[in-house]
Amino acid sequence: EPEVTQTPSHQVTQMGQEVILRCVPISNHLYFYWYRQILGQKVEFLVSFYNNEISEKSEIFDDQFSVERPDGSNFTLKIRSTKLEDSAMYFCASSEDSASNQPQHFGDGTRLSIL
Amino acid sequence: AQKVTQAQTEISVVEKEDVTLDCVYETRDTTYYLFWYKQPPSGELVFLIRRNSFDEQNEISGRYSWNFQKSTSSFNFTITASQVVDSAVYFCALMTDKLIFGTGTRLQVFP
Repeated sequence: EPEVTQTPSHQVTQMGQEVILRCVPISNHLYFYWYRQILGQKVEFLVSFYNNEISEKSEIFDDQFSVERPDGSNFTLKIRSTKLEDSAMYFCASSEDSASNQPQHFGDGTRLSIL
Repeated sequence: AQKVTQAQTEISVVEKEDVTLDCVYETRDTTYYLFWYKQPPSGELVFLIRRNSFDEQNEISGRYSWNFQKSTSSFNFTITASQVVDSAVYFCALMTDKLIFGTGTRLQVFP
C-alpha cells in the first residue's frame, strides 16, 4: 500500500538554527498537510497546501514557518530560528482531495529536538 | 467552534476485557467527518476508521466497533477482548475544513 514517507525520522538541531523537514506524499494525492505533536499532547494542525499554495494555516504557523513543494514529489516544512518550544513530532499527511471522505494518510513523523 | 473531547485520559484493562473509548465532538457544520487514529509507542499515526455525518450506521471490524450517535454528538470506540498489542494512545478527530484531534486516550492492556 502506498504510504507517506518522512525524513529524517529524528532531527537534532541547535536553537536558532534553521531546519527543513521533508515529506514525500502519496503520488496521486493533491492535498498536503503538516501537523505537530508536542510530547504528550494532542496532534495540532499547522498548514494545508494545494496547487502550490497554502490553503489554510493555523495560529501556530507564523512567519517562522514556511512550506514548499520544490519538485513533483517532495513537500517540505522549513522552520527558521528554531526555539526550544519547537521540539515536537511533526507529521506530514496527504489526501486525494479535500473532500473529507478521504482519510488523511500520515507519515511516521519526524521527531525534532531543539537543544 | 470545532472541538473534540476525549474525557478519558488513561484507561487500564487486563487482557480479554472489553473497553470503550469515548469521544464527544462539537461543530456547527452539518457535513463533517469523524476519524479514529491509533498511536502506538513507536509514534506513528495509524488510521482506523472514518465516518461521515450522514451515516449513523455502527461499524464492526474484527474486535473493533464504533458507535456513532449524532443526537449526543458522540463517536465511541469499543475494543472487544483487548490484547496487549492494543496498548496505544487513541485519538478521535473531527474534520470539517481541517482535521481537529482530541487530546487522546492512553490505553494500557496488561497481560
